[in-house]
Amino acid sequence: GDSVTQMEGPVTLSEEAFLTINCTYTATGYPSLFWYVQYPGEGLQLLLKATKADDKGSNKGFEATYRKETTSFHLEKGSVQVSDSAVYFCALSDSGVSGGYNKLIFGAGTRLAVHP
Amino acid sequence: DGGITQSPKYLFRKEGQNVTLSCEQNLNHDAMYWYRQDPGQGLRLIYYSQIVNDFQKGDIAEGYSVSREKKESFPLTVTSAQKNPTAFYLCATTAGGYGYTFGSGTRLTVV
Repeated sequence: GDSVTQMEGPVTLSEEAFLTINCTYTATGYPSLFWYVQYPGEGLQLLLKATKADDKGSNKGFEATYRKETTSFHLEKGSVQVSDSAVYFCALSDSGVSGGYNKLIFGAGTRLAVHP
Repeated sequence: DGGITQSPKYLFRKEGQNVTLSCEQNLNHDAMYWYRQDPGQGLRLIYYSQIVNDFQKGDIAEGYSVSREKKESFPLTVTSAQKNPTAFYLCATTAGGYGYTFGSGTRLTVV
């Protein structure tokens, strides 16, 4: 079945460093891809998404490009801040649910810790 | 403001006890989902519902039950058959397309 694999954390960076969190996926169809962020004790918030190959999602300085040839959707940010410390989840939409209400399949999450 | 509300934020369950987690939304979304989050394992789908009075099992439905009597509400019951219920439970909704809205979660602990 469909699946998502993320790099293991924690990722520890100094403020203003460059961030990359790797995400690869396995899917039989043409899924949409997402990055969600979770701050401590809270639910998940959508960070960015891409719905087809070569699309680039971006938000709050974060970017990810849908690469069909490498089945990847790596998250990047040029200069991280302490406030970016959180857990980041890569996810894909499962098109197996009828009626247009797609299930999301998540990776295990990557914890990011940014120090001043 | 429209949103999704989960309650309680923290819940403690004794061995052999059933407990119910609440999820209420005022977004007028059709589909609702329950996910379980364990450390290092991401989120796993428990149950989902696309319409009132209808719901389907997800990947880890054993030991859980749900109901969908109203569009706004999708409560999750953790039964005594669930042998390892300690986890963080997240409810989500969508109106279709690809936008999920998540609640702030309920942390359940067995005591």
